[in-house]
Amino acid sequence: GENVEQHPSTLSVQEGDSAVIKCTYSDSASNYFPWYKQELGKRPQLIIDIRSNVGEKKDQRIAVTLNKTAKHFSLHITETQPEDSAVYLCAAPDSGGGADGLTFGKGTHLIIQP
Amino acid sequence: DTEVTQTPKHLVMGMTNKKSLKCEQHMGHRAMYWYKQKAKKPPELMFVYSYEKLSINESVPSRFSPECPNSSLLNLHLHALQPEDSALYLCASSQDLLAGGPSGELFFGEGSRLTVL
Repeated sequence: GENVEQHPSTLSVQEGDSAVIKCTYSDSASNYFPWYKQELGKRPQLIIDIRSNVGEKKDQRIAVTLNKTAKHFSLHITETQPEDSAVYLCAAPDSGGGADGLTFGKGTHLIIQP
Repeated sequence: DTEVTQTPKHLVMGMTNKKSLKCEQHMGHRAMYWYKQKAKKPPELMFVYSYEKLSINESVPSRFSPECPNSSLLNLHLHALQPEDSALYLCASSQDLLAGGPSGELFFGEGSRLTVL
């Protein structure tokens, strides 16, 4: 099955600075890599995703980069704002264990310091 | 309508009780999922239904029993649970399944917070 590693577990940045969160995956056949944001007590929500035929995707202040050779992908947030404070979860498809779904990384708690 | 609706929001049950969690979506999605999320942990996949056919994470104990009455509804039947099963149970749906995973965005419900005494 897929193994997704995510770093760091906690990231504290000053408001206005950039934040980068990295994930690695194990299954070279994986072809879809989403990022979810989960605010405290709320459901995870998709913020950006990338497919394996693309190396980078950008949406306003957030971007995702993918390196298929190295099997890692990263989330980049620029000009961070207080509302960016949340847990960020990377994921990759996984049919391990018999169920086809997403396997999530352990999450990164992003703290934006005023 | 882009909502996945879960009921109840909170549930407290004893170890001998039988209860059910319910999930509903009206987006025409053909894949539905149950995830379990413990505090400060990521969601863990339990079950997937695609076109009402079940695929199971083999590590899930048999005291959890899923049911998909139709393409819009998903239930999770609970029986003889243990205190360590206390968690947030998240239902999600996606438009479809591709090989190995969803075809795109997972839409999550708000979850059912379960406490087993």
